[in-house]
Amino acid sequence: SQQGEEDPQALSIQEGENATMNCSYKTSINNLQWYRQNSGRGLVHLILIRSNEREKHSGRLRVTLDTSKKSSSLLITASRAADTASYFCARNNYGQNFVFGPGTRLSVLP
Amino acid sequence: EAGVAQSPRYKIIEKRQSVAFWCNPISGHATLYWYQQILGQGPKLLIQFQNNGVVDDSQLPKDRFSAERLKGVDSTLKIQPAKLEDSAVYLCASNPILGETQYFGPGTRLLVL
Repeated sequence: SQQGEEDPQALSIQEGENATMNCSYKTSINNLQWYRQNSGRGLVHLILIRSNEREKHSGRLRVTLDTSKKSSSLLITASRAADTASYFCARNNYGQNFVFGPGTRLSVLP
Repeated sequence: EAGVAQSPRYKIIEKRQSVAFWCNPISGHATLYWYQQILGQGPKLLIQFQNNGVVDDSQLPKDRFSAERLKGVDSTLKIQPAKLEDSAVYLCASNPILGETQYFGPGTRLLVL
């Protein structure tokens, strides 16, 4: 299967702590994207990282990509209650369709 | 810039009935996607259009699901007849360039009783 896995499946942290989520995949990719989904809503794009990039930042978000290990991680620093959501990685293989993992459910407790 | 529009937002039907969902992508976006997201899972691609042509419909249950994008703009996804296991959120997304960032609509939550 093309699908990889995100881990952990669920994560609970206190406000102010950092949250790290991981995404593994099995086939080669052109890019990998991270999305957030608040309960009952559509997905919101966070960061796109290309296969020739190793790290990208956006505000409190940091994404790394290790193509040799076929894995990516999303770090949210200084988390807030508003960061409570499900986080998905989506792999894209050179213009073909996107493959989403099952996601990580993050709960940030006040 | 207006986002991806979907309607209805919620739909409750009985099994064996039919239902249709509508999606209007962001203006100028050539690629349109329909996803099915079952509770607790990630989105699963049902069909992908490039303008008004189908790029990938390998995971579309064609015995009951159909989709069209006749003029290369808005799109309709239909289920006929619906089954209990079709209960899910149906997400529409679009992007201007194949393989790049997708922009999602709010989704249609379907409950089949």
